[in-house]
Amino acid sequence: QKEVEQDPGPLSVPEGAIVSLNCTYSNSAFQYFMWYRQYSRKGPELLMYTYSSGNKEDGRFTAQVDKSSKYISLFIRDSQPSDSATYLCAMPEGAQKLVFGQGTRLTINP
Amino acid sequence: DADVTQTPRNRITKTGKRIMLECSQTKGHDRMYWYRQDPGLGLRLIYYSFDVKDINKGEISDGYSVSRQAQAKFSLSLESAIPNQTALYFCATSDFGRGGYNEQFFGPGTRLTVL
Repeated sequence: QKEVEQDPGPLSVPEGAIVSLNCTYSNSAFQYFMWYRQYSRKGPELLMYTYSSGNKEDGRFTAQVDKSSKYISLFIRDSQPSDSATYLCAMPEGAQKLVFGQGTRLTINP
Repeated sequence: DADVTQTPRNRITKTGKRIMLECSQTKGHDRMYWYRQDPGLGLRLIYYSFDVKDINKGEISDGYSVSRQAQAKFSLSLESAIPNQTALYFCATSDFGRGGYNEQFFGPGTRLTVL
């Protein structure tokens, strides 16, 4: 079993829909939870991160962490075609490296 | 301007050939990483380096080697390429100390095909 599991999709939704992307993890020592966004033919870029449990909002994006369930989510409100990308969750393992989920490919249809 | 650059961007080679992928960065970061990305498997760490004299194996280092020529340069070599090394390769950098979340900055990737 991988330390971080993410449904690879693909996920296709109409413009304006609310999107929910999720990851589960097994290492209870993880403290930071990150979401990277990767456009086609580009490298991943950090979208947002949260520390410990709770919610964090940034514009149309909300990151949610439930440490008791080892479950994290990224919600996208009023989704736009420009949100079409692969979204990867990631968690720092100590001070040395990031552990990534498999990534979910998302398409927003106009 | 790209802060993390990779060359080449695309490469097609044959089984058994030696291949070098190069990465340069202008971010002034000490830490550099090499990943490969395969469909359905996400990003997997090949090697990482915390400074010029430090090299560490990641989860899938077999068949690969690296060289940290300078703070800004980190190259990945495939000594004898095989078809299952066909993948998208990414270089990344980070600056330890900027919070505990270890943000990594990725290059644009190199698409490698081994025939």
